[in-house]
Amino acid sequence: QKEVEQNSGPLSVPEGAIASLNCTYSDRGSQSFFWYRQYSGKSPELIMSIYSNGDKEDGRFTAQLNKASQYVSLLIRDSQPSDSATYLCAVPDFSGGYNKLIFGAGTRLAVHP
Amino acid sequence: GAVVSQHPSRVICKSGTSVKIECRSLDFQATTMFWYRQFPKQSLMLMATSNEGSKATYEQGVEKDKFLINHASLTLSTLTVTSAHPEDSSFYICSARILAQETQYFGPGTRLLVL
Repeated sequence: QKEVEQNSGPLSVPEGAIASLNCTYSDRGSQSFFWYRQYSGKSPELIMSIYSNGDKEDGRFTAQLNKASQYVSLLIRDSQPSDSATYLCAVPDFSGGYNKLIFGAGTRLAVHP
Repeated sequence: GAVVSQHPSRVICKSGTSVKIECRSLDFQATTMFWYRQFPKQSLMLMATSNEGSKATYEQGVEKDKFLINHASLTLSTLTVTSAHPEDSSFYICSARILAQETQYFGPGTRLLVL
């Protein structure tokens, strides 16, 4: 069974700071990675996907992938209180003959004014 | 694009009744839809994978006779919680995947309360 590990947090950062969220995965063969954001009481929404080693930037968000070390991270620049949510890392799993996502337990981020 | 809807958003029912939840992909065809359950302050838990025109694949420990899944078209999957009990009270979320992609797009969820 593939595993995706995240620190549950909470990760507390001041407004304006950089929030760094980390995720490690067990399957060295994984090729694609996803970050979802889930506000309390809401369903997850896709923030970013990354497929290649290195950085991928989208606005204030940067995803970083290091396949050799089997980790993927999400950086949030200029953190805002509205970024306070749980961030889920996900990796596809093709075992069992069908494609599903394995989610980490999520890291709760709290951005305080 | 990639909008997924769920209906109803919230339902309260008596113990022993059945509840049907609909999941629709509004602007794309979804060959595969997923059903998740999430209890308060807990992780997402995949219940089953639903492929259009075929039987759903249930995760270990999920009762297929209690949670009936139908995926009759490329834009609609339904989850029926049969003979619901208070312990079935939870947040049920569907997601849909576009053919040949790995990204899942989530519906807004259905909050079920069984009295």
